Amino acid sequence: GDSVTQMEGPVTLSEEAFLTINCTYTATGYPSLFWYVQYPGEGLQLLLKATKADDKGSNKGFEATYRKETTSFHLEKGSVQVSDSAVYFCALSTSGTYKYIFGTGTRLKVLA
Amino acid sequence: ETGVTQSPTHLIKTRGQQVTLRCSSQSGHNTVSWYQQALGQGPQFIFQYYREEENGRGNFPPRFSGLQFPNYSSELNVNALELDDSALYLCASSFSNREDGYTFGSGTRLTVV
Repeated sequence: GDSVTQMEGPVTLSEEAFLTINCTYTATGYPSLFWYVQYPGEGLQLLLKATKADDKGSNKGFEATYRKETTSFHLEKGSVQVSDSAVYFCALSTSGTYKYIFGTGTRLKVLA
Repeated sequence: ETGVTQSPTHLIKTRGQQVTLRCSSQSGHNTVSWYQQALGQGPQFIFQYYREEENGRGNFPPRFSGLQFPNYSSELNVNALELDDSALYLCASSFSNREDGYTFGSGTRLTVV
């Protein structure tokens, strides 16, 4: 079945460091891909998305490119801030289906 | 526009009891999905409602049931609670299941003792 695999955390970085969180997927169709962020005590917020191969989603300095050849959707940010500390979830949704499949999440901690 | 609101925010129940969780979808949204997020895990799809009908279901037993009302708000009911039902329950809404991404509520934290 469809699945999402994320790198295990926690990831601890100093402020202004470069961030990469790896995400790979397995899907039978042509999925849309998403990154969601969850701050402590809150629900999930959509961070960015890409709906077809080679699309780049971007928001708030975060970027991810839909790579069909490597079935990946890695999240990157050039310079992280303390306020970026949260749990990040990669997710997919296959066209014609009604559900998202989430990865297990990667906790990011940014130190001042 | 208002977002997705869920109630209550926290709940403690005893094993074997029944619980009802509520969700008000974002204005203009007609599709509601429910997810269960166990501690340290990603959300798992329970079911989705579209125009008051169940539109899909994940691998959850029948004691998990739901409703959607004409105003598109929704309820999640869980009967015969088990300890493993302890989790954060998230409601998400969208317009006609568009892949723009769902809007999630802050969740209801259910603890079964």
